[in-house]
Amino acid sequence: QSVLTQPPSVSAAPGQKVTISCSRSSSNIGNIYVSWYQHLPGTAPKLLIYENDKRPSGIPDRFSGSKSGTSATLGITGLQTGDEADYYCGTWDSSLSAGVFGGGTKLTVL
Amino acid sequence: DVQLVESGGGLVKPGGSLRLSCAASGFTFSSYSMNWVRQAPGKGLEWVSSISSSSSYIYYADSVKGRFTISRDNAKNSLYLQMNSLRAEDTAVYYCARVMGGTTFDYWGQGTLVTVSS
Repeated sequence: QSVLTQPPSVSAAPGQKVTISCSRSSSNIGNIYVSWYQHLPGTAPKLLIYENDKRPSGIPDRFSGSKSGTSATLGITGLQTGDEADYYCGTWDSSLSAGVFGGGTKLTVL
Repeated sequence: DVQLVESGGGLVKPGGSLRLSCAASGFTFSSYSMNWVRQAPGKGLEWVSSISSSSSYIYYADSVKGRFTISRDNAKNSLYLQMNSLRAEDTAVYYCARVMGGTTFDYWGQGTLVTVSS
């Protein structure tokens, strides 16, 4: 069972915006850094957002991250069919001395 | 460019052993912590193990503790995962990943498939 909880799936039309939430089961998410990854099965997962809201070079500003209270959120605007993938939140949990990932959210662009 | 290339996966019987390798290039390998992450068929990403840059700190998921051993050879720019007493539930694609800033897996390999079946 993931320490981080995500919705199993989200969907939206091309050009629209979607958000994916990531909540921490045991305590406030406020004291950890959250990253977001895009994963197409059979390929290497790709870092989209790190330290809650930072984008690595090469990641378009259509992707954004935020964190508030008990959850972190990935936002994707201007949806494209190429954005269809599984999205995971993740972090290193110092209290567990373990890496943790959310269960993943499958994005469908209708 | 940062590259991580896993190898060593394959078909193994329950109770068997396998050693995975991850060859790193394009960065100063000895300066980064490294991790193994896996994805079982139809499941999400699962963190497996972590090793610090000098091998001083090593951590394992409860699901593999006592059976898997992570190691690295900084002279060879390589990361390893020795997997013993394999079980069917260890069947997964295994990825190596570099750690940035202590909390972020910033580069990942393409993965190597491990299948545990009789």
